[in-house]
Amino acid sequence: GENVEQHPSTLSVQEGDSAVIKCTYSDSASNYFPWYKQELGKRPQLIIDIRSNVGEKKDQRIAVTLNKTAKHFSLHITETQPEDSAVYFCAARGYSTLTFGKGTMLLVSP
Amino acid sequence: NAGVTQTPKFQVLKTGQSMTLQCAQDMNHEYMSWYRQDPGMGLRLIHYSVGAGITDQGEVPNGYNVSRSTTEDFPLRLLSAAPSQTSVYFCASSLAGATNTGELFFGEGSRLTVL
Repeated sequence: GENVEQHPSTLSVQEGDSAVIKCTYSDSASNYFPWYKQELGKRPQLIIDIRSNVGEKKDQRIAVTLNKTAKHFSLHITETQPEDSAVYFCAARGYSTLTFGKGTMLLVSP
Repeated sequence: NAGVTQTPKFQVLKTGQSMTLQCAQDMNHEYMSWYRQDPGMGLRLIHYSVGAGITDQGEVPNGYNVSRSTTEDFPLRLLSAAPSQTSVYFCASSLAGATNTGELFFGEGSRLTVL
């Protein structure tokens, strides 16, 4: 089955800095790569996703890049704000199921 | 739309007891799934369903049972609770079919403690 590795497990930045979270996947058949944000005590919510026929996607301060050859995808957050503090999960969808990475706790200090 | 509704939100069980976590969605989603979330382990898939009458195992299915008699409902049954099943459980559904992409909508979660 699919295996998704996510790094780092914890990331601390100052407000205004950029944050980058990286993921790798194992199944070359995976074709959909979403990112979810989970605030403390809340449910995960989709923040951005990318499909295998696209190399990069941006939505305001967040962007995702995909390198299918290397089986890497990354989340980039620019101009971080305290409200960006949360756990972020990457995921990859293969045949029918979504496999998640173990998560990155992002801490943004004012 | 209420989205994905899970009950109960909190439950304490004794070892060996059984219980059912309920999940319902009102978005006419074909795909439904159950994940468990443990510290440092991310979200791990327990069971999933691609439509009424069809269920399949995920990564960590042992000790759990599911059924899908209607499109709306996907209950998760713990047959004989064990302390290792202490976790937060999320039900999630998707509009897309089995081989398509699509946003996964999560319920609020159910926190289960097994003593």
